[in-house]
Amino acid sequence: DIVMTQTPLSSPVTLGQPASISCRSSQSLVHSDGNTYLNWLQQRPGQPPRPLIYKISNRFSGVPDRFSGSGAGTDFTLKISRVEPEDVGVYYCMQATQFPVTFGQGTKLEIK
Amino acid sequence: EVQLVESGGGLVQPGGSLRLSCAASGFTFSTSWMTWVRQAPGKGLEWVASIKDDGDKGNYVDSVKGRFTISRDNAKDSLYLQMHSLRVEDTAVYYCARGTNVLAWGQGALVTVSS
Repeated sequence: DIVMTQTPLSSPVTLGQPASISCRSSQSLVHSDGNTYLNWLQQRPGQPPRPLIYKISNRFSGVPDRFSGSGAGTDFTLKISRVEPEDVGVYYCMQATQFPVTFGQGTKLEIK
Repeated sequence: EVQLVESGGGLVQPGGSLRLSCAASGFTFSTSWMTWVRQAPGKGLEWVASIKDDGDKGNYVDSVKGRFTISRDNAKDSLYLQMHSLRVEDTAVYYCARGTNVLAWGQGALVTVSS
């Protein structure tokens, strides 16, 4: 199974400042079809997860452009350019390159 | 607009059975893989199972193999999860999601396994 490791697990951030979350996979996420199925999800308190980014760097419809994804192979990053109050929650990376689909442990973003 | 609505959750005793349903709308269900993901109270996300668009093949996390069965009815735009031999550790909110990439999520159905 592919293990997804996120750092940090908790991130206190000042409003208006940037935030960054790292995700590392135990093996390459490049699929045989050439795509890399690495997604990022946001889960606000009391809400279901919301997809933010798919295939490393593509934002889902309605996701603000202050969210961006990057990386390749086994190392990936989610960046928030300027944190806003509604960004508080837990962020997960996940891989769907091979079964079983696996998630990172989650990173809790909170305001200082 | 994509909508996924789960139903069928509830309280069940250890060893019991339960069937979850997910009603889908707003996309072409019959050409989409579908997935169940669960989240135990206060914990992270765990993939449970995915099923191919034609229902021919299901994939499962090891902890539910032989106990859970994922199925679908493309004529009804519906996804199911039949759960047998339930354990306390199966207690979670179960989410229905579109695709193995989990492109869209439902609100979830709470399953509580307790005596």
